[in-house]
Amino acid sequence: GEDVEQSLFLSVREGDSSVINCTYTDSSSTYLYWYKQEPGAGLQLLTYIFSNMDMKQDQRLTVLLNKKDKHLSLRIADTQTGDSAIYFCAETGANNLFFGTGTRLTVIP
Amino acid sequence: DADVTQTPRNRITKTGKRIMLECSQTKGHDRMYWYRQDPGLGLRLIYYSFDVKDINKGEISDGYSVSRQAQAKFSLSLESAIPNQTALYFCATSEVGSHNEQFFGPGTRLTVL
Repeated sequence: GEDVEQSLFLSVREGDSSVINCTYTDSSSTYLYWYKQEPGAGLQLLTYIFSNMDMKQDQRLTVLLNKKDKHLSLRIADTQTGDSAIYFCAETGANNLFFGTGTRLTVIP
Repeated sequence: DADVTQTPRNRITKTGKRIMLECSQTKGHDRMYWYRQDPGLGLRLIYYSFDVKDINKGEISDGYSVSRQAQAKFSLSLESAIPNQTALYFCATSEVGSHNEQFFGPGTRLTVL
């Protein structure tokens, strides 16, 4: 099956930029996603990118997609303590989504 | 009110017991999913349903069963719970024709002793 990989942990200082990386295996994925999970809650869609795009920007969030290397990244500018959460990347499968392991982002005040 | 609700939110049970986790949605979506989340493993798909008469196995369906009683309800059963089914369980929904955005419930934390 599809394999979506992320590093498990990332720590940044408040005000710095965070970059969360993801690699995936299915080159036919139509969409790639970033979900955010806050403590004690379910996942919420943060942003997504269509596979024919290489960049998408939405306020403090920038998504970069390198289809050749099957690499997806999420950059959060001016990281705040409220950004502390687990971030999951996901790719579309035939009938559902395949999620990565999640990256726990810790923002240090 | 939440669009996707799960009951119970927390459950502790013993090995061998039968457990049912319930999911309800008010989004009017046809597609519903059950996932489990384990630390370091992300989310893995257990079962999914694209309408009331449709049930499909996911990546890790062994030891689980589901029932789609209505468009709005999708329940997950553990017929005989075992300790390695201790996990956080999420229900999700999505809409046909969308970019497959999935909307998640708040999760059920299940502990099997």
